[in-house]
Amino acid sequence: DTGVSQDPRHKITKRGQNVTFRCDPISEHNRLYWYRQTLGQGPEFLTYFQNEAQLEKSRLLSDRFSAERPKGSFSTLEIQRTEQGDSAMYLCASTLAGQIQIQYFGAGTRLSVL
Amino acid sequence: AQSVSQHNHHVILSEAASLELGCNYSYGGTVNLFWYVQYPGQHLQLLLKYFSGDPLVKGIKGFEAEFIKSKFSFNLRKPSVQWSDTAEYFCAVNAEYGQNFVFGPGTRLSVLP
Repeated sequence: DTGVSQDPRHKITKRGQNVTFRCDPISEHNRLYWYRQTLGQGPEFLTYFQNEAQLEKSRLLSDRFSAERPKGSFSTLEIQRTEQGDSAMYLCASTLAGQIQIQYFGAGTRLSVL
Repeated sequence: AQSVSQHNHHVILSEAASLELGCNYSYGGTVNLFWYVQYPGQHLQLLLKYFSGDPLVKGIKGFEAEFIKSKFSFNLRKPSVQWSDTAEYFCAVNAEYGQNFVFGPGTRLSVLP
């Protein structure tokens, strides 16, 4: 499978714990996006990277959230001190240079905070 | 700020019925418009897109959408739905030269065999 892959597919954690998700974009894609999706809603933009640079962050991305893309390839999204309100599907998407507006999505990581 | 609304939360149709899903956006400038589909258990996939030119765009699986600038709308249509079209459909907007994408809340389509 040469699409966008996300790991893990499902994470269950207790409130207050830290969690980290990984996204591997399509190999030649230089832009990578993170979204959050809650039940009954569409994806909400969190942040995006061009290569290793984080270029935009949503106000939804509180201080407890941090994202990195250290070598311009895979990316990680970390949530510290998780809260029940963080329970959601976290989606990653990547885009091919020259086709910036077409996003390819991964299957997502479903976070359940107990 | 951009926003996207979708008229229906859940649409139930019988096979062979015609489909129209509404999408309206709010943004004063030039936009790129998209419809994404999420089949049960699968990831979001691009159904069709509009960047410029002919406002009637055709996508995969017989879907089409019409951009009406004066109405800020980008409605999705299909003349005859199939059971396999059962999915969630999301309209999305991207401001020209912008990098942020705004998605609507989605419309769940259930097609009865």
